[in-house]
Amino acid sequence: GENVEQHPSTLSVQEGDSAVIKCTYSDSASNYFPWYKQELGKRPQLIIDIRSNVGEKKDQRIAVTLNKTAKHFSLHITETQPEDSAVYFCAASSTGAGSYQLTFGKGTKLSVIP
Amino acid sequence: GAGVSQSPRYKVAKRGQDVALRCDPISGHVSLFWYQQALGQGPEFLTYFQNEAQLDKSGLPSDRFFAERPEGSVSTLKIQRTQQEDSAVYLCASSPTGGGGRNSPLHFGNGTRLTVT
Repeated sequence: GENVEQHPSTLSVQEGDSAVIKCTYSDSASNYFPWYKQELGKRPQLIIDIRSNVGEKKDQRIAVTLNKTAKHFSLHITETQPEDSAVYFCAASSTGAGSYQLTFGKGTKLSVIP
Repeated sequence: GAGVSQSPRYKVAKRGQDVALRCDPISGHVSLFWYQQALGQGPEFLTYFQNEAQLDKSGLPSDRFFAERPEGSVSTLKIQRTQQEDSAVYLCASSPTGGGGRNSPLHFGNGTRLTVT
């Protein structure tokens, strides 16, 4: 099955700086890569996603890049703000026969220091 | 309500007790997932329903875990003879289309925090 590795596990940045979180995946057939933000005690919420026919996608201060050859994808947050502090999870879809699950990384705890 | 609703929000069970966790997905959503999230970890897949059909239960850790969605809407995750290692947050998620997690975004509930003492 799919295996997703996420780095770093914790990340501290000064307010206004950029943050980058990286993930690798193992199944070359995976084709959907969402990112979720989870604040303490709350539900994971989708912030951005990308499909394998696209190399980069942006939404205001958030961008995701995908390198299918290397099987890695990254989340970039620019001009970070204190409300960006949360745990971020990357995920990849499994496309094998009979497999429907989304496989998550272990998460990155982002702290934005005012 | 517009979102995925889970109940109870918190559950404390003594080891050996049976528990039942409920999920009300967004109305009309075809896909429903159960995930287990241990403290400090990412969600781990348990099972997937497309309408009332359980198409993937490969993530259920043992035969003590059972899930159903008899009418294609509300789902229940049942854990029999709970063990301490079952302590975790159990997340339910739904999405509007079939085909599992690769076709459309997942909408998560707030989860049920299960503590087994």
